[in-house]
Amino acid sequence: AQRVTQPEKLLSVFKGAPVELKCNYSYSGSPELFWYVQYSRQRLQLLLRHISRESIKGFTADLNKGETSFHLKKPFAQEEDSAMYYCALKGGNTGKLIFGQGTTLQVKP
Amino acid sequence: DAGVTQSPTHLIKTRGQQVTLRCSPISGHKSVSWYQQVLGQGPQFIFQYYEKEERGRGNFPDRFSARQFPNYSSELNVNALLLGDSALYLCASSLSTAGGGETQYFGPGTRLLVL
Repeated sequence: AQRVTQPEKLLSVFKGAPVELKCNYSYSGSPELFWYVQYSRQRLQLLLRHISRESIKGFTADLNKGETSFHLKKPFAQEEDSAMYYCALKGGNTGKLIFGQGTTLQVKP
Repeated sequence: DAGVTQSPTHLIKTRGQQVTLRCSPISGHKSVSWYQQVLGQGPQFIFQYYEKEERGRGNFPDRFSARQFPNYSSELNVNALLLGDSALYLCASSLSTAGGGETQYFGPGTRLLVL
């Protein structure tokens, strides 16, 4: 079965601390993985995707097929990073995205 | 470009009623997907339409239906509303259904409350 698991509902860190938002997936095949972010009162937007291997707003994520994980990391959290983060999996040739339950990141001053 | 737009923003219905939600994709995008987001959970895929044809369907009952028009806008219909249909309904558009990590752009959603 295709599934995305984000084990933490809430992650609270202090400004300047490292951040790691966990994401594990279940998929037989070559998955495409994404991180979406939703800031307060804004719409859901793409943060990054694994095929681009890019860094956005200081965030990176590496696909680990052995551990079936796609954790989101940032070395130094900023207050403006406070938001809801969703990991998503796209399988097959349709546009279907399978989302995790989301993790709220709270960065304290 | 205003991005993906959805109407209405909020809606209150009673059990058994029917509802129609509307979505306009980004100009040039031919694919529209619908998601249901229940409070405290991630979005759940309902449908994808591309070039007016259904290209994907999630695990939702037949009470849920959708269509896409020649201008690529889309409607989601839900019949015989249940309390459990209360959720935020999101529309997302993309250029096509192709793989390669194509980005889906989300609208602000329609919040439906069923009483």
